[in-house]
Amino acid sequence: EAQVTQNPRYLITVTGKKLTVTCSQNMNHEYMSWYRQDPGLGLRQIYYSMNVEVTDKGDVPEGYKVSRKEKRNFPLILESPSPNQTSLYFCASSPGTGGDSTEAFFGQGTRLTVV
Amino acid sequence: QQQVKQSPQSLIVQKGGISIINCAYENTAFDYFPWYQQFPGKGPALLIAIRPDVSEKKEGRFTISFNKSAKQFSLHIMDSQPGDSATYFCAASKEGGYNKLIFGAGTRLAVHP
Repeated sequence: EAQVTQNPRYLITVTGKKLTVTCSQNMNHEYMSWYRQDPGLGLRQIYYSMNVEVTDKGDVPEGYKVSRKEKRNFPLILESPSPNQTSLYFCASSPGTGGDSTEAFFGQGTRLTVV
Repeated sequence: QQQVKQSPQSLIVQKGGISIINCAYENTAFDYFPWYQQFPGKGPALLIAIRPDVSEKKEGRFTISFNKSAKQFSLHIMDSQPGDSATYFCAASKEGGYNKLIFGAGTRLAVHP
């Protein structure tokens, strides 16, 4: 089954404790992104990757890191989480640019609470 | 600044009625306008999308109307059903923009039986 898998689904952590949210896709997609979803703000892009070892900042990158060492994996790293990073996070992948290739496939989401 | 403005925030419709959600955008470079549907506990999923070379696209009960001069587009759900109850997001992106989607704030739709 074609899918984007995120782990964990739920996470409660304390301020300053480093954490990683994993994301893996089995569709051989070139593009991967991380979004955060907050009430009244929709989804905002944190980081994106066009291919292995190629990443760039989205609209809200502060406090986050990413890496793309393999095509299928795109982990999101919070080195020193703060309460304002409490949010619902989504990983997404898409085949490429143009036409139907632009469709983004989203994971199930990770609900993060930083206390 | 919000590049894609969506309204209303919430919408209640009776079964069989028409649900209408509106979006407006600012950047004339946008050339791809998808709508995503999100059920509780799930990630958003593509519902329907349109490019600015057409003014309307219909897929089953779902229709996108697009007005390029007004920089507006809307989603119409005909014969709304309780199973359509979800949050709907409009979005926009541009060719060569690395598939970056700019989302609206979302509309929570409730269809009452």
